[in-house]
Formats: sequence, structure tokens, C-alpha cells
Amino acid sequence: QKEVEQDPGPLSVPEGAIVSLNCTYSNSAFQYFMWYRQYSRKGPELLMYTYSSGNKEDGRFTAQVDKSSKYISLFIRDSQPSDSATYLCAMSVDTGRRALTFGSGTRLQVQP
Amino acid sequence: GAGVSQSPSNKVTEKGKDVELRCDPISGHTALYWYRQSLGQGLEFLIYFQGNSAPDKSGLPSDRFSAERTGGSVSTLTIQRTQQEDSAVYLCASTGRLTTYEQYFGPGTRLTVT
Repeated sequence: QKEVEQDPGPLSVPEGAIVSLNCTYSNSAFQYFMWYRQYSRKGPELLMYTYSSGNKEDGRFTAQVDKSSKYISLFIRDSQPSDSATYLCAMSVDTGRRALTFGSGTRLQVQP
Repeated sequence: GAGVSQSPSNKVTEKGKDVELRCDPISGHTALYWYRQSLGQGLEFLIYFQGNSAPDKSGLPSDRFSAERTGGSVSTLTIQRTQQEDSAVYLCASTGRLTTYEQYFGPGTRLTVT
């Protein structure tokens, strides 16, 4: 079983919809939780990070972490066609090399 | 400012050949990571450099893989005697010493072994 599980999708929504993306994890030592966006044939782009549990908002994006359930979410409000990409969750512990452990990514398509 | 750059962007090589992949991190970033992104495998950690410390090579899949970082900046990932299963996108990321959770990725090198 992978340490981080993420539904690969694809997820197709109409423009303006609220999108919910989720990951579950098994390693209780994870303390940093990140969301990356990756366009086709590009490197991952950091969207947001959260330390420990809680919510964080940045414009149309909201990240939530529930450590008790080992569950993280990214919400995208008023989704746009330009949001069409693969979204990767990533996590790391707070010590040592802090290498990221990634989910497999969810492919999102926002239809105009 | 300039982001992480990688070269070449694409590399096609024959099985058994050696390849070198290059990464130029963001200026001033002391930490550098290499990851591999394969179809069906997602992104997996390969190696980590932090300043002048010995690298953490625990993610390298075999002894055919090696990496070095010269002058605390540019890094080269070398794959010897390439195999078809080495085909993947190789990504480099850099970050500051105190913000290792904020990793900034380059565009990657797409390696195809024929």
C-alpha cells in the first residue's frame, strides 16, 4: 500500500464549479502538506503548503488538513479552464532531508 | 528571478549508454533534490543535497545512478548502462535551508531509453 493515496481521476467539471481534490495518507509523522499543480510536460508548481492541521486560503484555493483522519483536501472555487491540470498532493516529515512523498495526482478538466 | 533550469529537456538514448542530466537550482538555494516521475509510479525521491553535507542517496534505485553537486550549486545526475525501465521524467527541485517544504521544481528532463 502506498503511503499517500490520491484518486487519479480524471475529474471533469463545468467552468465556475467548486472542485474538491483529496488525498489520504498513512504516515502519522507527516507534518507538512503541499499541493502542486502540473501542466502537461511541465514541472510541478507549488500552489500551497500547510503545516500540521488546519485550513489555509489563498485566493480561489483553500487547503485543509485533518491529521486525525489522515486526510487532506484542496478546494478550488470558481474553477476556470486554465485550472485544467494534474494536481499532486505531497507531504513531508519535519526532520531530516524532508523529501516529499507524492500522491499519484488527480487530472482535472474544467470545461468552458 | 530565474527559476530552476534543467538540461537537456529531452534525451533519447540507446540501452546500455550512459547519460548525464543537469540541474541549475535557484540562486542562493542550498538544498537540491532529484526526483523521478514515471507513468504509474508518480514522483519518487532519488537524492538530496544540502550545502556541503554528504548527500542522502537513499532513494537511488541502483548503483547505476549517481549524482554530484559542484560548488554547492549545479548538480549532475548520471545514469550508467541505461535500461528501458530508466525511461521517465527526471525532475530537480531546490529550496532554502530553512524552507525545505517549499520545493521549487524545474521543467524536467524526459529520458527515453530505446
